[in-house]
Amino acid sequence: EVQLVESGGGLVPPGGSLRLSCAASGFTFSSHWMSWVRQAPGKGLEWVANIKQDGSEKYYVDSVKGRFTISRDSAKNSLYLQMNSLRAEDTAVYYCARDQYWGQGTLVTVSS
Amino acid sequence: DIQMTQSPSTLSASVGDRVTITCRASQSVSSWLAWYQQKPGQAPKLLIYDVSSLESGVPSRFSGSGSGTEFTLTISSLQPDDFATYYCQQYNGYFGQGTKLEIK
Repeated sequence: EVQLVESGGGLVPPGGSLRLSCAASGFTFSSHWMSWVRQAPGKGLEWVANIKQDGSEKYYVDSVKGRFTISRDSAKNSLYLQMNSLRAEDTAVYYCARDQYWGQGTLVTVSS
Repeated sequence: DIQMTQSPSTLSASVGDRVTITCRASQSVSSWLAWYQQKPGQAPKLLIYDVSSLESGVPSRFSGSGSGTEFTLTISSLQPDDFATYYCQQYNGYFGQGTKLEIK
């Protein structure tokens, strides 16, 4: 069974940084593209970033380019999202995803 | 980037109606497409994956079809529990803008 478990969310002031982690199990992690998606309060679903199996390709939605970095560690079956220069509009529930499988999400709140 | 365009943005329908929501991709996404249902205050729920495969536990009145760049989600006979917002998504990529299904 595919399992994705996010961690690392929390309250951070504007301009701050946060690193999200996603522990993957139940499948061969190194064989799949992975991604992060988010949903701000009262808003629609938004894809944030994705990363190729070997980490050689990474793509980002325009609003986070230059601020967020997606990475992965196949030895640890883990996906990460380093978020820098956080803004109020980054407040959202962040989900780790592999194809149609999602984790339960972790809440990131950017506020002073 | 492959962009996803979903229509309509709002759909008013009655219990028992057959409804169809369309999702168009800016280029082929092969069969890597899913549909989600979301109700206020709840996490998204997977309905359909791989274009037309019904997720376990989802009622058979939901169905998905299409290929390449054009896809549809059909609800054969609307039930009161189906009034929600629906999203399509290319796996690991962009979502459609969402379709809010309202009671007429």
